[in-house]
Amino acid sequence: DTAVSQTPKYLVTQMGNDKSIKCEQNLGHDTMYWYKQDSKKFLKIMFSYNNKELIINETVPNRFSPKSPDKAHLNLHINSLELGDSAVYFCASSQLPINEQFFGPGTRLTVL
Amino acid sequence: DQQVKQNSPSLSVQEGRISILNCDYTNSMFDYFLWYKKYPAEGPTFLISISSIKDKNEDGRFTVFLNKSAKHLSLHIVPSQPGDSAVYFCAASESDSWGKLQFGAGTQVVVTP
Repeated sequence: DTAVSQTPKYLVTQMGNDKSIKCEQNLGHDTMYWYKQDSKKFLKIMFSYNNKELIINETVPNRFSPKSPDKAHLNLHINSLELGDSAVYFCASSQLPINEQFFGPGTRLTVL
Repeated sequence: DQQVKQNSPSLSVQEGRISILNCDYTNSMFDYFLWYKKYPAEGPTFLISISSIKDKNEDGRFTVFLNKSAKHLSLHIVPSQPGDSAVYFCAASESDSWGKLQFGAGTQVVVTP
């Protein structure tokens, strides 16, 4: 019974395409996050939603747009994909103010 | 601008011995610290955390120590087991930051028989 799930696990696409990554959590948490792990293995926060409201929006190109249809889902849409977008994207959730975040398995995005 | 630093990219330790992982931070506003463990092709999993009002927290084989004056924390794993072979990430956050975690670069731990 997966706590935080992401689809797809792997995504290979061409430059210029638009793609989406979906995330769902069944922990009843009120806050969800998107992180990017680049080729140097740094995990960096991109966005966070609390009760469907955007609360963290780091310096991310506006080609990246998160959408939270409800508390259990946080999707990431990326327009006009670039080579530099290749990375592993992790979704996470937590129940603030407790800050132990639970991570999904990651989506490896490769842009050719 | 890396505010959380793990200066040892790798650590090799014999099974049964102690593993000590170190983490330094620069932001004095950080007041909550966490350690995560990550296996290849999986997401990070939460291990243990510590609030800045404490200097030690234990959970089974895992102990985290916090030295606020030195802006330093460490994770001790005793005894180390083969299943502990993974990448360990240190993370930190400020209260009122809506859970924003700053991660270190990670330390690859290899436990040898």
